[in-house]
Amino acid sequence: SQELEQSPQSLIVQEGKNLTINCTSSKTLYGLYWYKQKYGEGLIFLMMLQKGGEEKSHEKITAKLDEKKQQSSLHITASQPSHAGIYLCGADFGNEKLTFGTGTRLTIIP
Amino acid sequence: KAGVTQTPRYLIKTRGQQVTLSCSPISGHRSVSWYQQTPGQGLQFLFEYFSETQRNKGNFPGRFSGRQFSNSRSEMNVSTLELGDSALYLCASSAAQGYGYTFGSGTRLTVV
Repeated sequence: SQELEQSPQSLIVQEGKNLTINCTSSKTLYGLYWYKQKYGEGLIFLMMLQKGGEEKSHEKITAKLDEKKQQSSLHITASQPSHAGIYLCGADFGNEKLTFGTGTRLTIIP
Repeated sequence: KAGVTQTPRYLIKTRGQQVTLSCSPISGHRSVSWYQQTPGQGLQFLFEYFSETQRNKGNFPGRFSGRQFSNSRSEMNVSTLELGDSALYLCASSAAQGYGYTFGSGTRLTVV
């Protein structure tokens, strides 16, 4: 079974609508990272969460880590075309590496 | 400050050849890790170096190797290339665990 499950795999959202991407871990996280990737390019850092119950926001993107530190959600408010891309969650299990989810491909339609 | 620099950006190699990819971390970062990204397997961890020592290694064959120099720059080498090695190779640098990972733009390797 996967250590980190990300859902949904793809999402098509009308511009202006809100959306949520989830990331669930099979074990306790030391940290949870959210990245965005344009096709074939590097990962752009969005947010890092480390404490249970932590919530961070940047512009219209908010990420939360639950109290048990096993689940995180990424919420985009009033989506825009610039939000389109692949969103990846990466788990730090305390072993000097990140374990990534399978990614969520976000498409914004006008 | 400058970000993580990976060279080259694109590479085309023939089966059986070997290839070396380079990664220059953010100044002051001593940890460099490498990942392979393919459509089928997603992002897979290759190895991580800290102060010239490999601390962690992923589940890849011995054809994949790496090293880190005293200035923290890192190289990864793939010998006897196979078609399945075609992928985007990403490196990430970090100051220390828990301080975040910054990724480079990647090297797109195509094996023909």
